[in-house]
Amino acid sequence: GEDVEQSLFLSVREGDSSVINCTYTDSSSTYLYWYKQEPGAGLQLLTYIFSNMDMKQDQRLTVLLNKKDKHLSLRIADTQTGDSAIYFCAEKSGNNFNKFYFGSGTKLNVKP
Amino acid sequence: EAQVTQNPRYLITVTGKKLTVTCSQNMNHEYMSWYRQDPGLGLRQIYYSMNVEVTDKGDVPEGYKVSRKEKRNFPLILESPSPNQTSLYFCASTAGALSYEQYFGPGTRLTVT
Repeated sequence: GEDVEQSLFLSVREGDSSVINCTYTDSSSTYLYWYKQEPGAGLQLLTYIFSNMDMKQDQRLTVLLNKKDKHLSLRIADTQTGDSAIYFCAEKSGNNFNKFYFGSGTKLNVKP
Repeated sequence: EAQVTQNPRYLITVTGKKLTVTCSQNMNHEYMSWYRQDPGLGLRQIYYSMNVEVTDKGDVPEGYKVSRKEKRNFPLILESPSPNQTSLYFCASTAGALSYEQYFGPGTRLTVT
């Protein structure tokens, strides 16, 4: 299957910006996603970007997509303690619309 | 309320004892999928179903079976569970293959001793 890679941990101070990075190998990706998982909970879709877009902004969240480098990032402005969670990058395959590939997740720790 | 439900939420069982984890969605979605989540590995797709009676393998199907007899239900069956199937399992549904959003269930934590 395709690979989606993320760093495992990120620690920031409350009020700072957080940037979570992701790389993927599937050049035919259609949609790319960011999910949030809080402890003991399921996955919550935070935002997504279509593969022909470069950027998407949604309140405190900014997604940047560099399709040439197959690099996706999620920036969270004014990070709050409630943003502490695991963030998963995922992509929907363009070769098989039924297949989704997830990264290993980045654990974001926000210090007060 | 649109939702995906899974039962049970927690299960401890012994090696070799057949079990079924149920998944149901109330959104009339065509597409359903099962994932397992393991530390450091993220979510990996086990099986998916494009519609009733149509299923296919994901990336880690060994040791699992599924069925899709009704549109709303997609049970995951472990005929002979082993300790390496101890994991957190998620069911998800999507309106269709071209739809962008997957709706996830709350997860089932399975421990096989």
